[in-house]
Amino acid sequence: DTGVSQDPRHKITKRGQNVTFRCDPISEHNRLYWYRQTLGQGPEFLTYFQNEAQLEKSRLLSDRFSAERPKGSFSTLEIQRTEQGDSAMYLCASSLWGEVAKNIQYFGAGTRLSVL
Amino acid sequence: RKEVEQDPGPFNVPEGATVAFNCTYSNSASQSFFWYRQDCRKEPKLLMSVYSSGNEDGRFTAQLNRASQYISLLIRDSKLSDSATYLCVVIGSSNTGKLIFGQGTTLQVKP
Repeated sequence: DTGVSQDPRHKITKRGQNVTFRCDPISEHNRLYWYRQTLGQGPEFLTYFQNEAQLEKSRLLSDRFSAERPKGSFSTLEIQRTEQGDSAMYLCASSLWGEVAKNIQYFGAGTRLSVL
Repeated sequence: RKEVEQDPGPFNVPEGATVAFNCTYSNSASQSFFWYRQDCRKEPKLLMSVYSSGNEDGRFTAQLNRASQYISLLIRDSKLSDSATYLCVVIGSSNTGKLIFGQGTTLQVKP
């Protein structure tokens, strides 16, 4: 257990529904990252926060996706009007940003989304 | 062309074998390099960081060749428990710290 927790672990939804995932990072970590992983591929970066500020969003993050980290602690990732192509594992990672070489990211167990 | 490229395998080896994985990256300004291990349907876990001077952790040795933009992982005396997917990971030159993953190389160690 890395100390990063994600909820729920699994989510099955119907196309067109909205879903929200939560990530609780390691408490002293100032950076939080969201990645998406599809079968047979490595994780792909979606977005990241430093404290409460969202500093970068990937072009993979369409306008149906929104992420927040309101108090610089936990984060939520919402997908509106889900599509079958959104089916994937959504991974959250946190790190203590300082010297680049020490930006070790610790991953949560992920939320597996299946859109029917 | 993908930013980080790996041979997906699978590599099927007997227990006790030595196996090597390679990875290439396209951004010459990349600053940090890692190998992560991922078990089936689990999250990635850091295996080791990779330095130009090379580093060793028990049966695992990682090497970085900046001139060739090439990273390697050597596993000696393979164990059944080494069966997993090994992800080559790079941090680019920006301050984001975002990880850029290769596709992963699958290792199956057989008795």
